Amino acid sequence: SAVISQKPSRDICQRGTSLTIQCQVDSQVTMMFWYRQQPGQSLTLIATANQGSEATYESGFVIDKFPISRPNLTFSTLTVSNMSPEDSSIYLCSVDGGGVTEAFFGQGTRLTVV
Amino acid sequence: QKEVEQNSGPLSVPEGAIASLNCTYSDRGSQSFFWYRQYSGKSPELIMFIYSNGDKEDGRFTAQLNKASQYVSLLIRDSQPSDSATYLCAVTGFGDMRFGAGTRLTVKP
Repeated sequence: SAVISQKPSRDICQRGTSLTIQCQVDSQVTMMFWYRQQPGQSLTLIATANQGSEATYESGFVIDKFPISRPNLTFSTLTVSNMSPEDSSIYLCSVDGGGVTEAFFGQGTRLTVV
Repeated sequence: QKEVEQNSGPLSVPEGAIASLNCTYSDRGSQSFFWYRQYSGKSPELIMFIYSNGDKEDGRFTAQLNKASQYVSLLIRDSQPSDSATYLCAVTGFGDMRFGAGTRLTVKP
């Protein structure tokens, strides 16, 4: 199994600002995933981040709004840019277990935009 | 059509009963199937995964997969109040994982 440290665990931000969320894994992983979970909803995949290449974004998510970095095989960041109250959500990073196996999740970042 | 569909519930069962959670998926190329439990305010935690048709048992939990019907279920035997949570069905095809909306389960003492 993988241990994932995600921070911050929560933040309250002003609209128009940006927040960068960090995700650190205790082992090298090929793929890292960023999800959003809006209140009462399930997880929605934002993008897949592979080391050494541009992140792949899902429909409805764009790089200008959610830039992602993946500088090495154990770390990734997601930035929520120019925030609005609609961005208030829980953001989760996850990694695969090696091949097509279970995903492991960070603790999540609860973001509130005021 | 949603890729992964679940009955949102809430599903309420008495303590000691069997809870049955269902999930259907649209992509016939899906390869792996997962059940996660998510307590309020917490991250999802893996309960079980299944790759092959049939049943897979782990303690009080049994996952059932029927690829022909594109259907996967989770049975929880001897349900306990601590099983009260939202259960997420997830499916993978070629790398990423798609989640259902989740079924909220309440086990009443």
